[in-house]
Amino acid sequence: DSGVTQTPKHLITATGQRVTLRCSPRSGDLSVYWYQQSLDQGLQFLIQYYNGEERAKGNILERFSAQQFPDLHSELNLSSLELGDSALYFCASSVGEYSNQPQHFGDGTRLSIL
Amino acid sequence: AQSVAQPEDQVNVAEGNPLTVKCTYSVSGNPYLFWYVQYPNRGLQFLLKYITGDNLVKGSYGFEAEFNKSQTSFHLKKPSALVSDSALYFCAVRPLTGFQKLVFGTGTRLLVSP
Repeated sequence: DSGVTQTPKHLITATGQRVTLRCSPRSGDLSVYWYQQSLDQGLQFLIQYYNGEERAKGNILERFSAQQFPDLHSELNLSSLELGDSALYFCASSVGEYSNQPQHFGDGTRLSIL
Repeated sequence: AQSVAQPEDQVNVAEGNPLTVKCTYSVSGNPYLFWYVQYPNRGLQFLLKYITGDNLVKGSYGFEAEFNKSQTSFHLKKPSALVSDSALYFCAVRPLTGFQKLVFGTGTRLLVSP
């Protein structure tokens, strides 16, 4: 058990809809990272937050946004969903703000767009 | 920009035999290098990392990795494979300095046969 909790485990929705994915980091970790994993694109870094502030941005679409709350949990918001957004979304956490430390991954949220 | 190449989509090995999963990288300056493993329907688990020091790094579950600066490689090895090692393995890299995202390879599926 990594200590990182992601909810929900599965999400099925339709094109054009909006969803929110939630992540609770491992106790004591201040950084939260979001990744998208798909068969065609592999594992893509989306965004990182450290202690409530955005630290790094990757291949995140403008339709996607994230935030980290004072209790350090994070939410990833996906809007105007398209078929191509179907993927496994992972959250990871680490102690510090630099990605040189091991990241601890949750088991992911599988998003299916119908 | 940094990049990682895992040239083999799949590696097949018999139980008890040594295994090698290959990784080469490209980064400006010195690298941080990581190996992660992903079991079905689970998030990635940290195996080991290289920052500086000995070129042979030991990690979890009997795995080790050899850093070769001249060949820009960081191959994952294990002297004796187990059926339970069958999983998806990811190599990842980021530069030693600066604030940079961690970049993952496309993954190599390891299949250990009894």
